[in-house]
Parts: sequence; C-alpha cells; structure tokens
Amino acid sequence: KNQVEQSPQSLIILEGKNCTLQCNYTVSPFSNLRWYKQDTGRGPVSLTIMTFSENTKSNGRYTATLDADTKQSSLHITASQLSDSASYICVVSAMEGGNKLVFGAGTILRVKS
Amino acid sequence: EPEVTQTPSHQVTQMGQEVILRCVPISNHLYFYWYRQILGQKVEFLVSFYNNEISEKSEIFDDQFSVERPDGSNFTLKIRSTKLEDSAMYFCASRGDRRVSPLHFGNGTRLTVT
Repeated sequence: KNQVEQSPQSLIILEGKNCTLQCNYTVSPFSNLRWYKQDTGRGPVSLTIMTFSENTKSNGRYTATLDADTKQSSLHITASQLSDSASYICVVSAMEGGNKLVFGAGTILRVKS
Repeated sequence: EPEVTQTPSHQVTQMGQEVILRCVPISNHLYFYWYRQILGQKVEFLVSFYNNEISEKSEIFDDQFSVERPDGSNFTLKIRSTKLEDSAMYFCASRGDRRVSPLHFGNGTRLTVT
C-alpha cells in the first residue's frame, strides 16, 4: 500500500534555531516528492519538488533532501522565524495513472520567541 | 502572482441537502483537482479532471459527488445529499501541463453539515 509517514508529529523550537523534519515513503513506482507548507485554515503551498534524480533542493531557508534508495526525505529549516509556524506536509507522487499524490499527515511546527 | 480562488470560504448545510463548492483555477492551467481534509487529519484525494473529463477518482468520490467545468473558468464540486461525515475542508487545486509541476491550492471551503 502506498504510504507516507512523517516524523515528528509536532515540534516546538525557539526562533532562530534550525530544525529537520523527516519523511519516509513506500510509494511505488516513484515519480517525485514534494514538501508543502500549510498555515492554519489555508491551503497547502508548494516549497519544493524533487524527482528521482535530484537529492537536494533549496528554496530560501528551506532545504529538502531525497534518498530514493532508502525512500527517505528531510526538510531542513534554517534560522527559523515565527512565520514558519505551520504544518509541513510531505507528498509523494506515484507514476500510476493521473500522477496521483499520496499525502503524509504532516509535522506541526511551532516557532516561539 | 495568480492564485486559485474558492467560494464560499465557509458553508453550513443540513444533512441531506445539496451543496456546490466553487473554484476558479489559475487561468492557463489544464489539470484540476479536489481534495478534502477532515479536521486534524491528512489531506485526501477526491478527483482529478483533465480535458473536460474525470481522469481519476478515489473511493471517497462516490455517486454522491460530481464535478463540472461549466465554462472556461469555473470548476465545481457538487455533493448531492450531504452526510455528517462530509464535514471537512475542501480544497481545489490546479497545475500546468509540465509533467512535474507544483499543485496550486486554493484556501479551501469549510463545509459543516449539521
């Protein structure tokens, strides 16, 4: 069964600190992996997309890594800001028809001052 | 930057009533989606739509659900006879025609069935 597991479930860090969120997946055949940020009550916003051949991609203070062999990804946030408080969702796309996306449950990050 | 817009932001309806959730995808996008998110749970795929027809649907998307693109700009989700368990946030999303392109989500319609 195609699944995406994220850890930790939630995380509290101090403003200015770094953090790393983890994603493990069993989606097959694999097409690409995406990280989204979802603010409370809003739609998810795309941070990065990585295909099989990419193992790192950055978007400002966000850096995602992908190890397609171990089926793991991480999202590293550098110098966190209060506005980084959100749910971070790992989404994996399977190549089966229609480019279907499998969503993880998300990691809820709270950045406090 | 262009965005996906959804209306209404909140819809309250009684069990058994029909509801129509509306979306205006980004204008040059070709692929359209509906997702739902029950409070505190993960986002779930409902249906994808391309070239004026459903390309894929999940087991959630039963006969009570339908989608339509009535004109060149709107994309709607209809629930014919709502149930309590249909209460959720419904997100519309769209993307362009590159094989790997980001999904752009709207801010959702919160549906409350009483």
